[in-house]
Amino acid sequence: QKEVEQDPGPLSVPEGAIVSLNCTYSNSAFQYFMWYRQYSRKGPELLMYTYSSGNKEDGRFTAQVDKSSKYISLFIRDSQPSDSATYLCAMINFGNEKLTFGTGTRLTIIP
Amino acid sequence: GEEVAQTPKHLVRGEGQKAKLYCAPIKGHSYVFWYQQVLKNEFKFLISFQNENVFDETGMPKERFSAKCLPNSPCSLEIQATKLEDSAVYFCASSPGRHSYNEQFFGPGTRLTVL
Repeated sequence: QKEVEQDPGPLSVPEGAIVSLNCTYSNSAFQYFMWYRQYSRKGPELLMYTYSSGNKEDGRFTAQVDKSSKYISLFIRDSQPSDSATYLCAMINFGNEKLTFGTGTRLTIIP
Repeated sequence: GEEVAQTPKHLVRGEGQKAKLYCAPIKGHSYVFWYQQVLKNEFKFLISFQNENVFDETGMPKERFSAKCLPNSPCSLEIQATKLEDSAVYFCASSPGRHSYNEQFFGPGTRLTVL
């Protein structure tokens, strides 16, 4: 079983819709949770990171962490065609610097 | 520089040949990470450095892979005797310091194709 599970999609939604992306994890030692966006043939770009359970909002993006369920989510409001990309969740143990990634969800926003 | 730079962009090698990839971290960043991204976006951690010292090499297939970060030189990742399964995009990331969990900045990657 992988430490981090993410539905690979693909996911297609109309412009303006709310997008929900999710990951589950099995390693209780994960303490920091990130969401990266990766455009085709580019490196991952950090969107958001969270530490504690709860919600964190940044513009149109909201990251949600539920440590008791080992479940994290990213919500995108008022989705735009420029949001079309692969979204990767990633996690880190405290004291261990390496990122453990989900497999990524490919998202397409249809104009 | 303000961005992580990686060279070359593309590298093609015949099976059994050597491949060498380079990474220049953001100036002032003391941590460097190498990741391998294979098909279906599977990212695998390879190795990390704190300045020129290996910090964590638990992901490295040591029999064929080696890496260095020497002072005043780009970091390098070298694969001796490449195999078909080494075909992947290799990403380098850098961060300002320890516990900068939220600040790993990625380069554009080097796409290695082994024929």
